[in-house]
Amino acid sequence: KAGVTQTPRYLIKTRGQQVTLSCSPISGHRSVSWYQQTPGQGLQFLFEYFSETQRNKGNFPGRFSGRQFSNSRSEMNVSTLELGDSALYLCASSAKGQGASGANVLTFGAGSRLTVL
Amino acid sequence: GENVEQHPSTLSVQEGDSAVIKCTYSDSASNYFPWYKQELGKGPQLIIDIRSNVGEKKDQRIAVTLNKTAKHFSLHITETQPEDSAVYFCAALTPLIKAAGNKLTFGGGTRVLVKP
Repeated sequence: KAGVTQTPRYLIKTRGQQVTLSCSPISGHRSVSWYQQTPGQGLQFLFEYFSETQRNKGNFPGRFSGRQFSNSRSEMNVSTLELGDSALYLCASSAKGQGASGANVLTFGAGSRLTVL
Repeated sequence: GENVEQHPSTLSVQEGDSAVIKCTYSDSASNYFPWYKQELGKGPQLIIDIRSNVGEKKDQRIAVTLNKTAKHFSLHITETQPEDSAVYFCAALTPLIKAAGNKLTFGGGTRVLVKP
């Protein structure tokens, strides 16, 4: 079956702009988590969505937001971009999310690499 | 909150030798410990995981051990091959007290280079 699909794979923005990233989870998976990966900070948890509801949130400013649609596809948005937002943004899906025992396996997409100039 | 430390940050081994990566976690409530491998240009891929009720798990050339008392777990790769070269991440899953669900916290990663 198809894996986790993230679009776009690469994008370049300038400071102050906003960006929207998309994630299509594995068919049947209801949980989508987003992570920011940078060389200095590693993998940082942004938020998790399950059945269209944000269930958990990491320690990121309000400029970072997301949503999940009824078909489990998710988008994340970053407004008023800063240079420090340059990173690889990873989406991961799982059947029951990080909230269920026995089904915590996350499958990651290839990521969207954002460069802010 | 949970804190996961991973060592070493880089590891260079000769092909055929073993590689060991160690992680420690801080929250004794953490109950699931996956390991991910990330190759260049790709997202992390799960390679092995272990639950808190198990001390050791093996899958061909890779094995993971867990010491709950000491709160550390390790990844062992035997007979390393050039295709094992990648960045490896450990993680710990912790039940959240004030919110629904659990949270997965990653270690800082280990860049492994297998020299032919």
